Amino acid sequence: AQSVTQPDIHITVSEGASLELRCNYSYGATPYLFWYVQSPGQGLQLLLKYFSGDTLVQGIKGFEAEFKRSQSSFNLRKPSVHWSDAAEYFCAVGARGSYIPTFGRGTSLIVHP
Amino acid sequence: DAGVIQSPRHEVTEMGQEVTLRCKPISGHDYLFWYRQTMMRGLELLIYFNNNVPIDDSGMPEDRFSAKMPNASFSTLKIQPSEPRDSAVYFCASSLGGQNTEAFFGQGTRLTVV
Repeated sequence: AQSVTQPDIHITVSEGASLELRCNYSYGATPYLFWYVQSPGQGLQLLLKYFSGDTLVQGIKGFEAEFKRSQSSFNLRKPSVHWSDAAEYFCAVGARGSYIPTFGRGTSLIVHP
Repeated sequence: DAGVIQSPRHEVTEMGQEVTLRCKPISGHDYLFWYRQTMMRGLELLIYFNNNVPIDDSGMPEDRFSAKMPNASFSTLKIQPSEPRDSAVYFCASSLGGQNTEAFFGQGTRLTVV
């Protein structure tokens, strides 16, 4: 079975600074990979996804993520963080042939003015 | 489309009472998922349906939990009897299924059992 690890429970950055949220997965083959964002009191919204092809994936709100097979990672990045990016971020992995995502525990992003 | 619609948004109930959570998936989506989110355990998949048929309910914690999908536009998650440890946010999500699709989430139901 697949699994996801998000090593950082909380990340604090200053507005305008760059951001990288870490995600490591465990799966025997190339998985489907996702990043979701959850604002307070809201459901999860998809930021971006990787299924195949280019390992650098562009998403909404200026986010991107890079799939690195050798490191079993799918880290989320943004060059300049805005205060509105403060939220909970979830990495998820889905097994090929059976799209049912397994979520990580999430990383809480705090943005300082 | 209005997206996945869940009701109620908040529910406070006393221990031992029956609780029913409701979900209307996005029209045309073949898959429906019920998740539970807690601080301790994160986001857990409870059960999912494909074309209204329950496929995997291994995540349902106990027999007190049951889920139904009588038609393509409606699903319920019932807890009977409820206990304080059931307090959590319950999310419903739907997807087209297959490759190149993602799950769309409702806003969740925050359940508090006192």
